[in-house]
Amino acid sequence: SQQGEEDPQALSIQEGENATMNCSYKTSINNLQWYRQNSGRGLVHLILIRSNEREKHSGRLRVTLDTSKKSSSLLITASRAADTASYFCATDAGPGANSKLTFGKGITLSVRP
Amino acid sequence: DGGITQSPKYLFRKEGQNVTLSCEQNLNHDAMYWYRQDPGQGLRLIYYSQIVNDFQKGDIAEGYSVSREKKESFPLTVTSAQKNPTAFYLCASSMPTGRGAFFGQGTRLTVV
Repeated sequence: SQQGEEDPQALSIQEGENATMNCSYKTSINNLQWYRQNSGRGLVHLILIRSNEREKHSGRLRVTLDTSKKSSSLLITASRAADTASYFCATDAGPGANSKLTFGKGITLSVRP
Repeated sequence: DGGITQSPKYLFRKEGQNVTLSCEQNLNHDAMYWYRQDPGQGLRLIYYSQIVNDFQKGDIAEGYSVSREKKESFPLTVTSAQKNPTAFYLCASSMPTGRGAFFGQGTRLTVV
């Protein structure tokens, strides 16, 4: 079963615009993570937000978490053509033996130059 | 350089054959994972291991087997019981909860 459900499934924006991607999940989590995947490659970890955090920033990335709504959003500001990739949210129910990463189906982001 | 290495990058399997995908990490991570990625399906968890000599089934373990004899290594065997093995396989490792996972570059398996 896939815990996270991202939306939209695909997003196309102009360079310089902001990109907002959403993720919803079903069960309690310890933390939520966002990853990026370029075509045919492995995933790269972008940012992690813990269940007791509401907002986190890293460079041009801003992630929010609303545990009451079981949802998260990833904002990429001032997008660049190089941001074109697939983005996945992953939930971790951890810690200990419960810790495993469960991914959604991903969002395909296209940034037009 | 610390990292996680998958090999081979491309693998071709004949019907009825078992094949083993390699995953090695030198990050001293305790946890290791195997995922399968199909177009439009995202990543689905096959097996994961939190510690040496222990592993658990994920959501789609049927037709696969793993071992975790060393902390650094978590090989995945795709057996002949896996009826639709053509996919992109990703291995990952992480420290205990609270840190992000590192991924290998993947192995693309094709049945011929």
